[in-house]
Amino acid sequence: AQSVTQPDIHITVSEGASLELRCNYSYGATPYLFWYVQSPGQGLQLLLKYFSGDTLVQGIKGFEAEFKRSQSSFNLRKPSVHWSDAAEYFCAVVMDSSYKLIFGSGTRLLVRP
Amino acid sequence: DAGITQSPRHKVTETGTPVTLRCHQTENHRYMYWYRQDPGHGLRLIHYSYGVKDTDKGEVSDGYSVSRSKTEDFLLTLESATSSQTSVYFCAISPVEGAGELFFGEGSRLTVL
Repeated sequence: AQSVTQPDIHITVSEGASLELRCNYSYGATPYLFWYVQSPGQGLQLLLKYFSGDTLVQGIKGFEAEFKRSQSSFNLRKPSVHWSDAAEYFCAVVMDSSYKLIFGSGTRLLVRP
Repeated sequence: DAGITQSPRHKVTETGTPVTLRCHQTENHRYMYWYRQDPGHGLRLIHYSYGVKDTDKGEVSDGYSVSRSKTEDFLLTLESATSSQTSVYFCAISPVEGAGELFFGEGSRLTVL
């Protein structure tokens, strides 16, 4: 079955440290891939997306993500985390011609001062 | 910010009562979506619309109906609310299907007692 997995429910990092949030999908072909961020009490905002081409994509707020076909992964990274990055992050994919967006269960990022 | 307004933002109701949530957009986007967000499940698609009077089911559509009589309004109705429908409901809009960015409203928190 098609699925999106974010294996980490919570991640805590110190301010200034690097960050990597994991996302894996189960699908026979290359999906469209997205990362969204949700600040407390807010809706979701798109950070970045991948459709094709260069497997390293840049997004807003200094985030980047790398698509690895061999690992069916689309991990989100940031070299230096700021306290304002504390939020919940969702990986999402479009995996077939229905064009429906399937979300992972989310990873909550906590930032230590 | 995308012009999306959800109403009501908070509602408490009793089991068995009907509830309607409204999503209003000022962007004239063709595609509109209703998601529910629950801990551990991320966002799950309830229903979506690809034009006036054109709607389709998502992955968790049981117990919900929708209507779209105007481009700008997408209504979600719980015919007879149950406690399992306690959730945060998000409306999203998009100018294109699948490959485009979704713009989210701020959510409607529904509690069914």
